[in-house]
Order: sequence, then C-alpha cells, then structure tokens
Amino acid sequence: DIQITQSPSSVSASVGDRVTITCRASQGLSRSLVWYQHQPGKAPKLLIYAASTLQSGVPSRFSGSGSGTDFTLTISRLQPEDSATYYCQQSNSFPITFGQGTRLEIK
Amino acid sequence: EVQLLESGGGLVQPGGSLRLSCAASGFTFSTSAMSWVRQAPGKGLEWVSTISLRGESTYNADSVKGRFTFSRDNSKSTLYLQMNNLRADDTAVYHCAKGGTAGTGWRTFDYWGLGTLVTVSS
Repeated sequence: DIQITQSPSSVSASVGDRVTITCRASQGLSRSLVWYQHQPGKAPKLLIYAASTLQSGVPSRFSGSGSGTDFTLTISRLQPEDSATYYCQQSNSFPITFGQGTRLEIK
Repeated sequence: EVQLLESGGGLVQPGGSLRLSCAASGFTFSTSAMSWVRQAPGKGLEWVSTISLRGESTYNADSVKGRFTFSRDNSKSTLYLQMNNLRADDTAVYHCAKGGTAGTGWRTFDYWGLGTLVTVSS
C-alpha cells in the first residue's frame, strides 16, 4: 500500500498570509495526487487534481505542485473562509490512501 | 447540480448489519465510478470501497474485505453498501463520492455527499 505523510498536522495563519502544506508518498505517484478541503458540516470539496490542475470554480489563490513523491498545496492571500481541514489523496492505485489531514486555523 | 444523498445510518450492536444507500442525481449515473469514504470521530478520511460503472468490479479496503459489499442499481441511480459483522472501529460518517471524469480520473472524487453516521456500540 502507498503511505502518504502529510504535514503539518495543524497550522494557524492570518488573513492575507500564505500557507504551504506538504505530502510525501512512500512510492512514486507521477502526478496522481489530489487535494480536498473539508469544512465542518459540509461535504469534502475537490480543490486540485493531477497534482496541479485547479478544479473548476476553485479560487486561483489555491495552487498545487510536485511530482513523484513530494507534493505541495499552497494557499495564497488567505481568506476567513479557507478555515478547514485539508487532505491529500493518492489516485495512482488501489487501495486509495489519504494523508492524515492539516487543520488550518485563521487567526 | 450534482447531489449525493446518503441514508441508512444508525446505531447497531457489534456483529450486527446495516445497509447504507446513496441516491444520486444531477449527472449521468451510469457513466461514473462511485466510492464510499468514511471518517471516524476525530480522525481523517479513509477510503472504503469503489465500484465500476456497471458494478462488475469492486475494490475494497483490507479493513472491510469479506464484511462489506458494494453494489449499484443504475436504473435507480442508487448505491448500496451492505455492512455485515460490524465492529466498533467501523463507527464513522460514511460519505458516498462520485468518481471523476476522464480528465480527473475515476480515483479522484469530484463530488461528495454529506454522509450518514454509523455507530457500532452495545
């Protein structure tokens, strides 16, 4: 099984800041890495697929990069509504695996 | 608008059974692989199972193999997750999720439901 290590587990930042979340896979994924946003009481939302392709309707302040085993989600110009838990997920093969999640708090 | 509405959750004793349903609308159901993903209280997301377009193939997490059966009825745009021999560590919110398009890939979940809570406890 492919293990995904996500860091940090939590981060606190202010409106307007930039935040970076990383995921490292136990084996190469090429670009088969997905990012989701999950807010309490809401359904998880697809943000980025194929490591760097923004899902339709997602604000451009979200961006993804990486390939192989190391990937990054960057949120620029933080907004209050970005408060959420963010998960990466490998879409390369079964069993599908997720990172442990990063809880983002907006100060 | 894509909608996924899960139902069937509740309280069940260890060793018991439960069947979850997920009613889908707003897209051509028969052209999308579908999945279940769960979230235990205070924990992260965990993939459970995926079913192919016509239901001929299913893929399951080791933690549910031999206990959970995933099926679909394309005529009703509905998914079913039959859960047998339930354990305390199956307690979670169960989300159904739509597999992506050719562009995003079927192991990418482009829409999710709000989920239904399953509690396994005596």
